[in-house]
Amino acid sequence: GNSVTQMEGPVTLSEEAFLTINCTYTATGYPSLFWYVQYPGEGLQLLLKATKADDKGSNKGFEATYRKETTSFHLEKGSVQVSDSAVYFCALTGYSGGGADGLTFGKGTHLIIQP
Amino acid sequence: DTAVSQTPKYLVTQMGNDKSIKCEQNLGHDTMYWYKQDSKKFLKIMFSYNNKELIINETVPNRFSPKSPDKAHLNLHINSLELGDSAVYFCASSQKLPGLAGAPLEQYFGPGTRLTVT
Repeated sequence: GNSVTQMEGPVTLSEEAFLTINCTYTATGYPSLFWYVQYPGEGLQLLLKATKADDKGSNKGFEATYRKETTSFHLEKGSVQVSDSAVYFCALTGYSGGGADGLTFGKGTHLIIQP
Repeated sequence: DTAVSQTPKYLVTQMGNDKSIKCEQNLGHDTMYWYKQDSKKFLKIMFSYNNKELIINETVPNRFSPKSPDKAHLNLHINSLELGDSAVYFCASSQKLPGLAGAPLEQYFGPGTRLTVT
């Protein structure tokens, strides 16, 4: 079955530091990959996505590249802000023919940015 | 307008009770989902509905039953609530892909319902 492994936090950084959150996956076929973000007390928001190998998803200064050869989708940001403090989830979905599959999530990485 | 909405936002109830959580989406999507987030923030798919047909049913107790009166709504009914059912439940929706080709599209999530069973 499908699975997603991501580094577990909490990850604590100073403002303006460089961020990397690692994510690797196991899946059959050609899944789509996503990063979702959950701010305290809120639901999940789609941060970025990539649907095929070598695609780069980007949004709000965050980037991630779909690497099929290493089955990875690492999240990066060049300069983090306090407002980036949240829980970040790597996720994938496949397609089983009868309709869209549910998302398979990693366990989430709690990111804390200190001023 | 809220794209995916859920009611109630908080639900506190006693063991053994029966409760429902409602979900509505105004995105015109064909597929809706229910996810459970446990106390460690781990998210797991429970159900999905596509054109009123259940297409995923993970190993969820049959005390949980999804009901979809129409394409825009997917409600979650829970019978005989147990302490272990305490969690945050998220509804989501996505667009159905035409045919069998193409990449799966992203899902949009509701704000969540925090269920506490005492």
